[in-house]
Amino acid sequence: AQSVAQPEDQVNVAEGNPLTVKCTYSVSGNPYLFWYVQYPNRGLQFLLKYITGDNLVKGSYGFEAEFNKSQTSFHLKKPSALVSDSALYFCAVRDPYNFNKFYFGSGTKLNVKP
Amino acid sequence: DTGVSQDPRHKITKRGQNVTFRCDPISEHNRLYWYRQTLGQGPEFLTYFQNEAQLEKSRLLSDRFSAERPKGSFSTLEIQRTEQGDSAMYLCASSLAPSGSADTQYFGPGTRLTVL
Repeated sequence: AQSVAQPEDQVNVAEGNPLTVKCTYSVSGNPYLFWYVQYPNRGLQFLLKYITGDNLVKGSYGFEAEFNKSQTSFHLKKPSALVSDSALYFCAVRDPYNFNKFYFGSGTKLNVKP
Repeated sequence: DTGVSQDPRHKITKRGQNVTFRCDPISEHNRLYWYRQTLGQGPEFLTYFQNEAQLEKSRLLSDRFSAERPKGSFSTLEIQRTEQGDSAMYLCASSLAPSGSADTQYFGPGTRLTVL
């Protein structure tokens, strides 16, 4: 079965500091990995995805993620956090044998303090 | 901006009542997905349409749930005889891709259902 895990329920970081939101995956086959962000009472907004190619993927709002096959990780990063980055972040993996299926992690709440 | 829209945004109903939600995908997107999200959890897949055809249904989708996508445009999700356990955020997403590719899903704002 395909799955992702987000080991941290919450991440706290000061504005201006770098942030990392962790995600590990378990996929049989080549993984298709995604990050989404959700603001209160809003739907999910696409940030970035890894399909193939460079391990460092750049996305929206200055976010990037590093695909690490040996560690089966796809951590989300940003060099300098903003208070407006405070939101709920979801990692997701697409089933490589059934593109209709996405499996989401349980989410990580990012708190950026001024 | 013609993103994915959902209506209503909030619905409060009494147990046993039927409810229907609507999703309007991004124009020309051929794929449409329904998810359910409960508090503290990520979205869980419910069902998927390719154009007007419902191609997959999750085991989460009991026989009280039905979804349609007539003419391959908007979709409706109906829940009959609602139960308190149906209380959740129902999310719709759409994407555009030929079959088999790793397309990106774009989500609507969701419909929050509260069953009293």
